[in-house]
Amino acid sequence: QKEVEQDPGPLSVPEGAIVSLNCTYSNSAFQYFMWYRQYSRKGPELLMYTYSSGNKEDGRFTAQVDKSSKYISLFIRDSQPSDSATYLCAMSATRGRRALTFGSGTRLQVQP
Amino acid sequence: KAGVTQTPRYLIKTRGQQVTLSCSPISGHRSVSWYQQTPGQGLQFLFEYFSETQRNKGNFPGRFSGRQFSNSRSEMNVSTLELGDSALYLCASSLDRGADTQYFGPGTRLTVL
Repeated sequence: QKEVEQDPGPLSVPEGAIVSLNCTYSNSAFQYFMWYRQYSRKGPELLMYTYSSGNKEDGRFTAQVDKSSKYISLFIRDSQPSDSATYLCAMSATRGRRALTFGSGTRLQVQP
Repeated sequence: KAGVTQTPRYLIKTRGQQVTLSCSPISGHRSVSWYQQTPGQGLQFLFEYFSETQRNKGNFPGRFSGRQFSNSRSEMNVSTLELGDSALYLCASSLDRGADTQYFGPGTRLTVL
């Protein structure tokens, strides 16, 4: 069983919809949680970073971490066709966040 | 500011050969990490270098190795290539100051025939 599980999708939604992306994990040592977005033929880019449990909002994006359930979420409000990409959750037990453990990624398609 | 650059972008090799991939981090970044991305296993951490020293290592066989130069540029080498080594190899750099962000390059697509 993988340390981080993520539904691969694909997830197809109409423009303007609220998107919910989720990951579960098994390693209790994880304290730093990130969401990356990866467009086709590009490297991942950091969207959101959260330390321990709680919520964090940045524009249309909200990240939630529930350490008691070992569950993290990313919400995208008012989704746009430009949000179509693969979304990867990533986690780390160390403050430097460099040896990351990634989920397999969820492919999102926002239909205009 | 220029991003992380990786060369070559695409590479085709045959089984048994070896390959060297190169990564130039963002100017001023001292930490370089390497990841392998495949459809089956996703993104997996290979190793991290800082000040020319390997600081962290993932769970990969010894055929995978790397090094970092004094200018922070990094190379990774895979010897005795196997079909399963076909993947996108991603390099990421960071400043290495506390909880800083890793910036990824576009990757090198390696195909092993």
